[in-house]
Amino acid sequence: DQQVKQNSPSLSVQEGRISILNCDYTNSMFDYFLWYKKYPAEGPTFLISISSIKDKNEDGRFTVFLNKSAKHLSLHIVPSQPGDSAVYFCAATIIRGGGATNKLIFGTGTLLAVQP
Amino acid sequence: GAGVSQSPSNKVTEKGKDVELRCDPISGHTALYWYRQSLGQGLEFLIYFQGNSAPDKSGLPSDRFSAERTGGSVSTLTIQRTQQEDSAVYLCASSLDLAGLGYNEQFFGPGTRLTVL
Repeated sequence: DQQVKQNSPSLSVQEGRISILNCDYTNSMFDYFLWYKKYPAEGPTFLISISSIKDKNEDGRFTVFLNKSAKHLSLHIVPSQPGDSAVYFCAATIIRGGGATNKLIFGTGTLLAVQP
Repeated sequence: GAGVSQSPSNKVTEKGKDVELRCDPISGHTALYWYRQSLGQGLEFLIYFQGNSAPDKSGLPSDRFSAERTGGSVSTLTIQRTQQEDSAVYLCASSLDLAGLGYNEQFFGPGTRLTVL
């Protein structure tokens, strides 16, 4: 049972344009969501996160939007740069309450290619 | 400072052999996690160590998989009688434990690519 889903295995955008990566989840207990970026032969690196009490978090060129009613989040990268080309993983976890755990539940990733 | 390190970076083994994968977490990090990424799959949680607490082994796929963490630092993931479906990249992560202060960022190592022939 895939609790976190990334339905687009790949995305190609032109340099300077917006990249939008999407993620859906099924477990309503998740209260913290993250995006990780991964280059080949390297471990994932943290990019940006959002708590379930917010609907938007922005950090420079990166913005994450959360729609709890739709159980959907998205990552926007504006403007996209060739160095952004990597695999992006969406992840979710529970950090509050009796069900709190530090386990990250990951999606299958989206390969972003930013064309110069 | 040094990040999470893992060894070996690559391991090729024959079906039925045992393998050991090592993880050195960031100094001072009390929490340690193992994940794996099989071909075409996302990262799958395997096991979580937190200080002196009993580990959360809920993600281990079978009893052929075990892990230990000695002295609260280095961890070893052991796979006995390897099978071809065990082929994956095994990733280790560590974090601080700031209990009650929200999410503790997990820092990942580069992974060990295991190939079972």
